[in-house]
Amino acid sequence: AQSVTQLGSHVSVSEGALVLLRCNYSSSVPPYLFWYVQYPNQGLQLLLKYTTGATLVKGINGFEAEFKKSETSFHLTKPSAHMSDAAEYFCAVSSNFNKFYFGSGTKLNVKP
Amino acid sequence: ETGVTQTPRHLVMGMTNKKSLKCEQHLGHNAMYWYKQSAKKPLELMFVYSLEERVENNSVPSRFSPECPNSSHLFLHLHTLQPEDSALYLCASSQESGNTEAFFGQGTRLTVV
Repeated sequence: AQSVTQLGSHVSVSEGALVLLRCNYSSSVPPYLFWYVQYPNQGLQLLLKYTTGATLVKGINGFEAEFKKSETSFHLTKPSAHMSDAAEYFCAVSSNFNKFYFGSGTKLNVKP
Repeated sequence: ETGVTQTPRHLVMGMTNKKSLKCEQHLGHNAMYWYKQSAKKPLELMFVYSLEERVENNSVPSRFSPECPNSSHLFLHLHTLQPEDSALYLCASSQESGNTEAFFGQGTRLTVV
């Protein structure tokens, strides 16, 4: 069975501050991990993904995430928040069977 | 046209109506999905089609009826819905290889009155 837990349904940061969105997963098989972003009334857009290889993955818009197997975590970070980063972020896990399981989402608010 | 396209973008329907949501993907993928996104709830996987066969039905009420006539098209037929079915319905597609991401459409905002 697979599942995802995102700690914090709402995160608020100041513009220019570090963004840290937390994701922990549960998987009985080696996981594939994803972060998506969703703007209001839009679909989900892929930010980055981890499949195999390097555990630190870089994505679009300056985001990156690190896969830590020992901690079953895949936290999303960005060194300096921008107003345009305000959105909802979803962590997801999948397996070889291509079923994607999503966390409940974290809404990021960026204060000027 | 590229990506995953959903129509209509917005739909208001009465509880006795019958309507259909359409999803089309131009990515050559062989798996397609319907998700339901309600306020304050996690994304709910409703149906999965792989190679045009339904491989997942997550205890979805029978008033939702999916159809996948070919690998590029996916429909969700709706009838006698309830107000609690109001939500954003998202279609996605992927290549069934396990390590690729799902690509999402823009969604259909459904309101049941």
